[in-house]
Amino acid sequence: AQSVAQPEDQVNVAEGNPLTVKCTYSVSGNPYLFWYVQYPNRGLQFLLKYITGDNLVKGSYGFEAEFNKSQTSFHLKKPSALVSDSALYFCAVLPEGRNTPLVFGKGTRLSVIA
Amino acid sequence: DGGITQSPKYLFRKEGQNVTLSCEQNLNHDAMYWYRQDPGQGLRLIYYSQIVNDFQKGDIAEGYSVSREKKESFPLTVTSAQKNPTAFYLCASSPRVGYEQYFGPGTRLTVT
Repeated sequence: AQSVAQPEDQVNVAEGNPLTVKCTYSVSGNPYLFWYVQYPNRGLQFLLKYITGDNLVKGSYGFEAEFNKSQTSFHLKKPSALVSDSALYFCAVLPEGRNTPLVFGKGTRLSVIA
Repeated sequence: DGGITQSPKYLFRKEGQNVTLSCEQNLNHDAMYWYRQDPGQGLRLIYYSQIVNDFQKGDIAEGYSVSREKKESFPLTVTSAQKNPTAFYLCASSPRVGYEQYFGPGTRLTVT
């Protein structure tokens, strides 16, 4: 069965520094991978996705993610963090075949400190 | 949150009462989903529907029921059999199962 792991419950970073939120996955075949962001008491917002092609995917709000097949990872990155990036981030995966709902990780809380 | 509405935003009920949460979408999506979110546990799938008049149980369906009589609507009933119903409930939709999902703003249910 497919699964997603977000090994860090909390990530703290200073404003202006680069940030990384980690995600690893386990899925049969070629995965489809997603990142979502959730602000307090709101629904999830789509940030970016990897389907195929270039391993570096660019998304909303200056975020990007790098797909690494050998390490089964899909880490979210941003070159310069903003206080407004503070939120809960979810990684999600679909197996090849795409016949099931997305499977979500448990989320990582990002705090950007001014 | 655009295109998917959930109402109400906050809901309070007494223990032993059934309660129905509303979810409506105007995105013409075939698939709809219900998730439960608890602190530190991420999103857990309750039910999903691939098409009108069809739905499948997710990981934590016990104590919940759904219907899908219209493409636009996928209401969730939290029954008195649900042992710990207090949570944040999120509805989502996608063009079909296996596609990027779009989420509503959520309903926070408190049962006392």
